[in-house]
Amino acid sequence: EVQLVQSGGEVKKPGESLKISCKASGYTFATYWIGWVRETPGKGLEWMGIIYPGDSETKYNPSFQGQVTISADRSINTAYLQWNSLKASDTAIYYCARRALRPEAWFDPWGQGTQVTVSS
Amino acid sequence: SSVLTQPPSVSVAPGQTARITCGGDNIGAKGVVWFHWYRQKPGQAPALVVSDDNDRASGIPERFSGSSSGKTATLTISRVEAGDEADYYCQVWDSSSNHYVFGTGTKVIVL
Repeated sequence: EVQLVQSGGEVKKPGESLKISCKASGYTFATYWIGWVRETPGKGLEWMGIIYPGDSETKYNPSFQGQVTISADRSINTAYLQWNSLKASDTAIYYCARRALRPEAWFDPWGQGTQVTVSS
Repeated sequence: SSVLTQPPSVSVAPGQTARITCGGDNIGAKGVVWFHWYRQKPGQAPALVVSDDNDRASGIPERFSGSSSGKTATLTISRVEAGDEADYYCQVWDSSSNHYVFGTGTKVIVL
């Protein structure tokens, strides 16, 4: 069974750094793109970026470029989303999801989500 | 930037049909646009319902169907049940920007 399991919820202060993870199982991690999606009450779902673990090629939504870093470690089948300096506006639920093989394809399955709360 | 517009909510009585539309004028300028649909129940992650305009995902009942025409798609839920109450999102890959775009989301309310 293909599964993505994300790290647990985090509570951070503004200015702190954070790295959340998404561990894949049930398939060859290197051969499928993994995307990250933000969910907020006001904006719904927003695509943040995507990484190909095979060679770490990464593409970002311009709205998130420079704000976050997406990476992957093939040796442990894990993708990451990290911030160097969190803001209150980063408070959201973050999902990882595996993209099907074609560029124009869908995301399935999804991780269970990681709640990130940034508050002083 | 690309925007996929959905109605904020659709209300439907049990047993009736719900239709959710999704469209964007400035997506996929370079070619065919494929629409995908997700269902998100409260407190859960989104889950694929329909891919490539009209292919039901594994485990999704035949009551769910998708269609598209140009840059607009519709998810139809027939014989609506109380358990269909959720938020539904469409998604495309915008070939003109090489980015993925989600719709604004529609809350299906079962009366």
